[in-house]
Amino acid sequence: NAGVTQTPKFQVLKTGQSMTLQCAQDMNHEYMSWYRQDPGMGLRLIHYSVGAGITDQGEVPNGYNVSRSTTEDFPLRLLSAAPSQTSVYFCASNTGDTGELFFGEGSRLTVL
Amino acid sequence: AQSVTQPDIHITVSEGASLELRCNYSYGATPYLFWYVQSPGQGLQLLLKYFSGDTLVQGIKGFEAEFKRSQSSFNLRKPSVHWSDAAEYFCAVTPRGYNKLIFGAGTRLAVHP
Repeated sequence: NAGVTQTPKFQVLKTGQSMTLQCAQDMNHEYMSWYRQDPGMGLRLIHYSVGAGITDQGEVPNGYNVSRSTTEDFPLRLLSAAPSQTSVYFCASNTGDTGELFFGEGSRLTVL
Repeated sequence: AQSVTQPDIHITVSEGASLELRCNYSYGATPYLFWYVQSPGQGLQLLLKYFSGDTLVQGIKGFEAEFKRSQSSFNLRKPSVHWSDAAEYFCAVTPRGYNKLIFGAGTRLAVHP
């Protein structure tokens, strides 16, 4: 039982480069979301999706794009990486009934 | 604005001592409430949750939390801490009918032998 799978686990980028963080879930959850975790700030919501084809912004969406073409996948794109995007990124999914999230193991991104 | 406050950034306790981690939220109505734990280098694991009913909820690893509506609090407790409980603990809330968790800044727990 895979749950929520994120790739890659580690990534180093140079300023201005682009990349995509992949997220897949096998629980048939409607809702998926991306959070970033920074020391002393907890987790902050970047983008979320309530179903295939539907996405919306969270607290800190600038510099990130998302799309949801299937129920299973919810990739996060960094269009032009900046040092301020150095963080640990978590993908999560849930059924939508109660808000209980199931998290991936995280992706640590460093932007030089 | 909706918010979650964890007043204690760091807490250190001795193994075997009791533990209470504080969480206060600011919402117009009672939200769904959660506590998550994160061990170093790991993802987040759900400890317990409150949706409705009995205000004292039991979770995994011997943790419990009490919802107090009058104080807008959802404090996490454990009677006797083990060294393996050293981790970071996050309180989170979501308004009923929504599915966007708002997290507190976290409390890092250290356990002395």
